[in-house]
Amino acid sequence: RKEVEQDPGPFNVPEGATVAFNCTYSNSASQSFFWYRQDCRKEPKLLMSVYSSGNEDGRFTAQLNRASQYISLLIRDSKLSDSATYLCVVRGGGSYIPTFGRGTSLIVHP
Amino acid sequence: DAGVIQSPRHEVTEMGQEVTLRCKPISGHDYLFWYRQTMMRGLELLIYFNNNVPIDDSGMPEDRFSAKMPNASFSTLKIQPSEPRDSAVYFCASNSELVGTGELFFGEGSRLTVL
Repeated sequence: RKEVEQDPGPFNVPEGATVAFNCTYSNSASQSFFWYRQDCRKEPKLLMSVYSSGNEDGRFTAQLNRASQYISLLIRDSKLSDSATYLCVVRGGGSYIPTFGRGTSLIVHP
Repeated sequence: DAGVIQSPRHEVTEMGQEVTLRCKPISGHDYLFWYRQTMMRGLELLIYFNNNVPIDDSGMPEDRFSAKMPNASFSTLKIQPSEPRDSAVYFCASNSELVGTGELFFGEGSRLTVL
């Protein structure tokens, strides 16, 4: 089992749609969780951290489910500019190394 | 403050040639990471440094790859000899445990093509 697994997609949705991605991780001792966004031919950039209580930033909501070992990202009212690859990142459990998932591709169309 | 700076942005070389990629981390950051990204394998950690000391190089593919960090503001990743399968985007990233968020700051990457 890979350490961090994501559905590669692509998720193809119309503008205004709500879309959700999940990411599962194998190390139950993991402590820090993040979502990064990567635009085509660009570097990854932090979108948001994921806290145990869940957190929201505008149209984006991130949640953590420790019991089932997954994190989720919900995007409401999708915009064309949300088209990108979303990378799940997990850290901790005895390692400082952040482990990246392969990413989920989102395409928002008019 | 400037972000992570990588050079060259693009490199095209022939098989067997030596390739050197360079990275300048954000000032004050004490962790530096080298990643490789391909369509097939995603982002792979090659090596990381803490306070200029290599901590984990288990991701370095083979002896053809080497990395150094002679000081806090400079690191190199060298491939000698290069092979076509080394073609990828190589990212350097830095962060500081003191920042607290754990955010990694990436450079714009070096896109390597080995013919």
